[in-house]
Amino acid sequence: NAGVMQNPRHLVRRRGQEARLRCSPMKGHSHVYWYRQLPEEGLKFMVYLQKENIIDESGMPKERFSAEFPKEGPSILRIQQVVRGDSAAYFCASSEAGGLRTEAFFGQGTRLTVV
Amino acid sequence: SQQGEEDPQALSIQEGENATMNCSYKTSINNLQWYRQNSGRGLVHLILIRSNEREKHSGRLRVTLDTSKKSSSLLITASRAADTASYFCATDQFYFGTGTSLTVIP
Repeated sequence: NAGVMQNPRHLVRRRGQEARLRCSPMKGHSHVYWYRQLPEEGLKFMVYLQKENIIDESGMPKERFSAEFPKEGPSILRIQQVVRGDSAAYFCASSEAGGLRTEAFFGQGTRLTVV
Repeated sequence: SQQGEEDPQALSIQEGENATMNCSYKTSINNLQWYRQNSGRGLVHLILIRSNEREKHSGRLRVTLDTSKKSSSLLITASRAADTASYFCATDQFYFGTGTSLTVIP
């Protein structure tokens, strides 16, 4: 059973381009969480999704950011018209159940650099 | 916000000493979890403690939970250089704090 897979591991985008980050949860997990982490800082919650539904997007910027978790395929975090301030590590986690009834398993992250 | 906040922000100890980190939160919770992050990597789950539990052990880890004070502590006994990492607590729905950066000096 492969762990949470994120790709790409590193992504470089020019200002104004779009960034697409993919997350394949562990097999059997239907809950996905996205976080952003700046250097030397903690994890900032962005969005919590369950298959085909956004459960909590309170941490997601209102503009340029969107997330989806379709019935088939990985979860996608999409950042449109990237700016330098979007440079960060983006982590995805998945769990079998929602909330803290079970532990979350994390991917290795995607490091986005906006030049 | 149910986000946990860890204290201290940074901790440096000698190998063999014990390390204690604290986590405070603001609202009622069902469970609380502790995670560890090595530099540049994803988080790894350490231990989960439920709201009706006061203390839990796992190897060299000891976690306490005081729901009346809305706080939890993580104790790592007989620390090793390999314990050097950042440690985070998470409350319901996996909201994380800013973490405690632990450095264990060999």
